[in-house]
Amino acid sequence: DGGITQSPKYLFRKEGQNVTLSCEQNLNHDAMYWYRQDPGQGLRLIYYSQIVNDFQKGDIAEGYSVSREKKESFPLTVTSAQKNPTAFYLCASSTRTGTDYGYTFGSGTRLTVV
Amino acid sequence: GQQVMQIPQYQHVQEGEDFTTYCNSSTTLSNIQWYKQRPGGHPVFLIQLVKSGEVKKQKRLTFQFGEAKKNSSLHITATQTTDVGTYFCAGRLSTGTASKLTFGTGTRLQVTL
Repeated sequence: DGGITQSPKYLFRKEGQNVTLSCEQNLNHDAMYWYRQDPGQGLRLIYYSQIVNDFQKGDIAEGYSVSREKKESFPLTVTSAQKNPTAFYLCASSTRTGTDYGYTFGSGTRLTVV
Repeated sequence: GQQVMQIPQYQHVQEGEDFTTYCNSSTTLSNIQWYKQRPGGHPVFLIQLVKSGEVKKQKRLTFQFGEAKKNSSLHITATQTTDVGTYFCAGRLSTGTASKLTFGTGTRLQVTL
């Protein structure tokens, strides 16, 4: 089955440590995205990539970094510079235009920093 | 920057009642999409609207895109407990930034028997 896989589902880290969230898709989608969702809130765009080896900052990129070395993979690193990293992180993918079937989301990673 | 607001933030209905959520953009949109996120889950794509004044139906769900392409609504007729979740609209600007959606703030729907 085609889909998008995020791992791990739950992640605990100590304050000051960098952590990398995995996102893999086998949908042959060109574009991939990272969103952050805080309790009771909407989705805020962190980074997005429309093609391999290229990515752009979203609305809340500070304290995060990404890479897009392969079409299938778009890992997100939450650095120690992110002031409030505890959140639900969602990865999504779409065709280049994203206008046919919308975005496909992964099941998310709940990050807790203590 | 572009903002997409939804109202209400939260609505609690009894099963069988109707429900409507409204989505308003500060800028004209090329298209709008709707997603549903069940509690503890991830957003799932429901539908896309492209044309001014477009209306689409999916069983008990009716989606509308405003004439000015700056607002949209989702109406659920005779809600069921399976409708529980948060409904998000997501709009794409008319120009520039292809493939980037701006998500609305979401409306959380609670349905009780």
